Amino acid sequence: SQTIHQWPATLVQPVGSPLSLECTVEGTSNPNLYWYRQAAGRGLQLLFYSVGIGQISSEVPQNLSASRPQDRQFILSSKKLLLSDSGFYLCAWNRGGIYNEQFFGPGTRLTVL
Amino acid sequence: AQKVTQAQTEISVVEKEDVTLDCVYETRDTTYYLFWYKQPPSGELVFLIRRNSFDEQNEISGRYSWNFQKSTSSFNFTITASQVVDSAVYFCALGSGSARQLTFGSGTQLTVLP
Repeated sequence: SQTIHQWPATLVQPVGSPLSLECTVEGTSNPNLYWYRQAAGRGLQLLFYSVGIGQISSEVPQNLSASRPQDRQFILSSKKLLLSDSGFYLCAWNRGGIYNEQFFGPGTRLTVL
Repeated sequence: AQKVTQAQTEISVVEKEDVTLDCVYETRDTTYYLFWYKQPPSGELVFLIRRNSFDEQNEISGRYSWNFQKSTSSFNFTITASQVVDSAVYFCALGSGSARQLTFGSGTQLTVLP
């Protein structure tokens, strides 16, 4: 069966510090991978998605970036965090078409102080 | 433009009551997909169901049922005989070709009281 991991689970970082969140999927190959942010108020915002190694699509311009160095690894980064980057970051995967059901990881709660 | 409206921000029911969560969507695409996800307090979104726009058959899975009506652009979710473990935020989402991503509603916080 497939599983998706995210770490760390929680993170508190000062403004201006760098960020690296990691997501890995097990039990499947060539998945589509997604990064979402959920700010207070519950709405989910798609940040990035990837259909293959090195292929990243950005949905919202911001100071975040994403990379996919391996087939089942997706990394969310920032060189300098802003207060507005605080939120709950969720990684998801699916197979096949972009509108197949997505399966989400446990999330990382980021607080920027 | 794509839009998903979950007008009910919060709902509270007493255990064993039935509850319906509303979802209204907007899209100009003729082919689209609708989803429901559950987000318990732990935070992880749990996939519940996916429906295609060309399949209007209602679906039942245990205590869960979904009513898809294209005429009213609605995809409502009913929990029968609710339980405390059903307490969560529930999201409706829409996916269609023109957007190339899922559009989520703002979610409905369901609280089931013992």
